[in-house]
Amino acid sequence: GENVEQHPSTLSVQEGDSAVIKCTYSDSASNYFPWYKQELGKRPQLIIDIRSNVGEKKDQRIAVTLNKTAKHFSLHITETQPEDSAVYFCAASKKGGATNKLIFGTGTLLAVQP
Amino acid sequence: DAMVIQNPRYQVTQFGKPVTLSCSQTLNHNVMYWYQQKSSQAPKLLFHYYDKDFNNEADTPDNFQSRRPNTSFCFLDIRSPGLGDAAMYLCATRSGPSSYNEQFFGPGTRLTVL
Repeated sequence: GENVEQHPSTLSVQEGDSAVIKCTYSDSASNYFPWYKQELGKRPQLIIDIRSNVGEKKDQRIAVTLNKTAKHFSLHITETQPEDSAVYFCAASKKGGATNKLIFGTGTLLAVQP
Repeated sequence: DAMVIQNPRYQVTQFGKPVTLSCSQTLNHNVMYWYQQKSSQAPKLLFHYYDKDFNNEADTPDNFQSRRPNTSFCFLDIRSPGLGDAAMYLCATRSGPSSYNEQFFGPGTRLTVL
């Protein structure tokens, strides 16, 4: 089955710096890669996602890149702000009809120091 | 407006005393998921429904059961909670069957076992 590894487990940056979180996946059939942000005690919320037919996607300060050959994808946050502090989870999913499910990475705790 | 609602938000039970957590959705989504999330870990899928079809994860203990009486509601029953079952329980929905569709998470129920 699919396995998703995520690094680093913790990341501390200064406000205004960039942050990069990397994930690798094992199943070449995976075709959808969402990123979730989870603030302490709150629900995971989708912040950006990418499909396997796209190499890069950007939404304001957030971007995701995908390298299908190497089976890895990354989240890039530019001009970080204290409100970006949270746990970020990557995930992978593949087309499977009714049994489709997300396989999550282990999470990255991002701390943005003011 | 709340789309995925979980009740209660906080539940305290005693060791071995059955407990039921509920989830409702206003999205009319086909798929509903139950996840268990322990501190500093990724959400762990327990089971999911595609309409009325139930899909259990292989490593979900028998102590956990689920019911989906209609499209809008899904319940998680823990028959004999142990101390190790203390966690945040997240419900999520997805408009199936495309793997590209976003999963929407509820706010979670934090379960404490005394």
